[in-house]
Amino acid sequence: GIQVEQSPPDLILQEGANSTLRCNFSDSVNNLQWFHQNPWGQLINLFYIPSGTKQNGRLSATTVATERYSLLYISSSQTTDSGVYFCAVGYSGGGADGLTFGKGTHLIIQP
Amino acid sequence: NAGVTQTPKFRVLKTGQSMTLLCAQDMNHEYMYWYRQDPGMGLRLIHYSVGEGTTAKGEVPDGYNVSRLKKQNFLLGLESAAPSQTSVYFCASSYGQGAANEKLFFGSGTQLSVL
Repeated sequence: GIQVEQSPPDLILQEGANSTLRCNFSDSVNNLQWFHQNPWGQLINLFYIPSGTKQNGRLSATTVATERYSLLYISSSQTTDSGVYFCAVGYSGGGADGLTFGKGTHLIIQP
Repeated sequence: NAGVTQTPKFRVLKTGQSMTLLCAQDMNHEYMYWYRQDPGMGLRLIHYSVGEGTTAKGEVPDGYNVSRLKKQNFLLGLESAAPSQTSVYFCASSYGQGAANEKLFFGSGTQLSVL
């Protein structure tokens, strides 16, 4: 099946810093989503972005489908940005419907 | 505005016991999913449903059964729990045409421990 690799696995930053999280995938996809899992375990959908660029406040995401990667940018980090960020992909040739998740980037924002 | 609701939130079982996790969504979504999350790993798909009365296996279906008798509900059953099924279980849903084309919404999770 499709492989999803996220980097870095862990990231510790000071409040106010900017960060870039990367997601590489091994095959063509027609669905890519970014999720934030907060410290209480809740999974929040940040972006549905199979291609192109989207922005939502301090967060933005870019997917270059032809090169099989996606980037999540967080600017002016706040402590509430802490948690795990997951990239998940879907493709029509998967055999089973649903998204394949990466292992996540664990982000800690220190005050 | 409930979205996706899972019950219970926590459960402790003894090996061999059975239980059912309930997922309910009020967004009129066609597709529903059960994932499990283990430490240091992403989420893995257990079973999914593309509509009322349908179910299908995901990546890790062994030891689990599911039912979708009503469009808004998706049940996950463990007939004989094993310690390897200790995990956090997430239900999710999306509009029709499959998650390959639609945004996914998650419930708050069920933490299950099997002793």
